[in-house]
Amino acid sequence: QKEVEQDPGPLSVPEGAIVSLNCTYSNSAFQYFMWYRQYSRKGPELLMYTYSSGNKEDGRFTAQVDKSSKYISLFIRDSQPSDSATYLCAMHGGATNKLIFGTGTLLAVQP
Amino acid sequence: NAGVTQTPKFQVLKTGQSMTLQCAQDMNHNSMYWYRQDPGMGLRLIYYSASEGTTDKGEVPNGYNVSRLNKREFSLRLESAAPSQTSVYFCASTLQGAGTEAFFGQGTRLTVV
Repeated sequence: QKEVEQDPGPLSVPEGAIVSLNCTYSNSAFQYFMWYRQYSRKGPELLMYTYSSGNKEDGRFTAQVDKSSKYISLFIRDSQPSDSATYLCAMHGGATNKLIFGTGTLLAVQP
Repeated sequence: NAGVTQTPKFQVLKTGQSMTLQCAQDMNHNSMYWYRQDPGMGLRLIYYSASEGTTDKGEVPNGYNVSRLNKREFSLRLESAAPSQTSVYFCASTLQGAGTEAFFGQGTRLTVV
């Protein structure tokens, strides 16, 4: 079993829709939870960063962490065509200095 | 401010050839990483360097070697390329460890024929 599981999609939604992206994980030592956005043929860029459990909001984006369920989510409100990209969850914690990524979900927002 | 710079951007190798992927960052970051990205597999860590002078294996180190030349530069070497090493390679750096924001280069698209 992978340490981090993420549905690869693709996910296609109409413009203006609410998007929900999710990851599950198995390592209870993870404490830092991140979402990266990757446009085609580019390197990933940090979108959201959360430490431990709880919610964090930044404009149209909300990140949620539920450590009891080992489940994290990214919500995108009023989705735009410019949000079309691959979204990767990433996690870190414990004794090792490794950032572990999910497989990424490909999102397409149709105008 | 260039951030993380990778060279080359594209490369085609024949099986058995060797090559070195170069990575340099100008953000005075302590930690640097090499990942490979394959369809359906996400980003997988090959090697990382927590600080200058140290390197450690990641998830998929076989067939690769690394050198942390100085604080700025972290190179990845393929001694004898195999078709299974066809991938997109990303270098990343963080200020300190994996709990801080990772900045990525633009990637190197490597094809081994």
